[in-house]
Amino acid sequence: DTEVTQTPKHLVMGMTNKKSLKCEQHMGHRAMYWYKQKAKKPPELMFVYSYEKLSINESVPSRFSPECPNSSLLNLHLHALQPEDSALYLCASSQVSAGGVGYTFGSGTRLTVV
Amino acid sequence: KNEVEQSPQNLTAQEGEFITINCSYSVGISALHWLQQHPGGGIVSLFMLSSGKKKHGRLIATINIQEKHSSLHITASHPRDSAVYICAVTIRGGGADGLTFGKGTHLIIQP
Repeated sequence: DTEVTQTPKHLVMGMTNKKSLKCEQHMGHRAMYWYKQKAKKPPELMFVYSYEKLSINESVPSRFSPECPNSSLLNLHLHALQPEDSALYLCASSQVSAGGVGYTFGSGTRLTVV
Repeated sequence: KNEVEQSPQNLTAQEGEFITINCSYSVGISALHWLQQHPGGGIVSLFMLSSGKKKHGRLIATINIQEKHSSLHITASHPRDSAVYICAVTIRGGGADGLTFGKGTHLIIQP
């Protein structure tokens, strides 16, 4: 299995809703990442998990809450989002190595906040 | 100034042409990645480079560490190559590194 699987592919949520994005990989990668991508812009790093521990938080608002329950699974819990949070959320994984060997992206969750 | 600069931003070419996309970076890096993204889609990793040259099918990527410059070449281009090509680097060094991205090159190959 050489894929990163993200669910759901599309999500529409209200500003008072709580929802979660899920990311799964079975490549044995011990580094997992969340990125946010706005239209026609490059992705922006949000969080990095290394060996299931949060190692980088790029000053992301607390309405985004990451979780790494095990080495194969990464969640992003969403609460009280704003319309400007609408974007494509990408998960990625890699080996824990200098440079990121085996960097693999999921196909993303397209989030719309109404 | 962006840490990763790509050129050109947009490129339209005819099928069969030889394509070159350039990437320059201003910081020390662990590795440089070339990525491909089709409209509305996820990102596919094409190459990871720390030195020299790599080839995969019609794609060739080179890096010059001393000049802090990398190029992605596409030989015998085809309309299915139309996509955004993104150069990205890991700059923190060691361990699990997030990528720092260039703004991308939007490539259109016309039949």
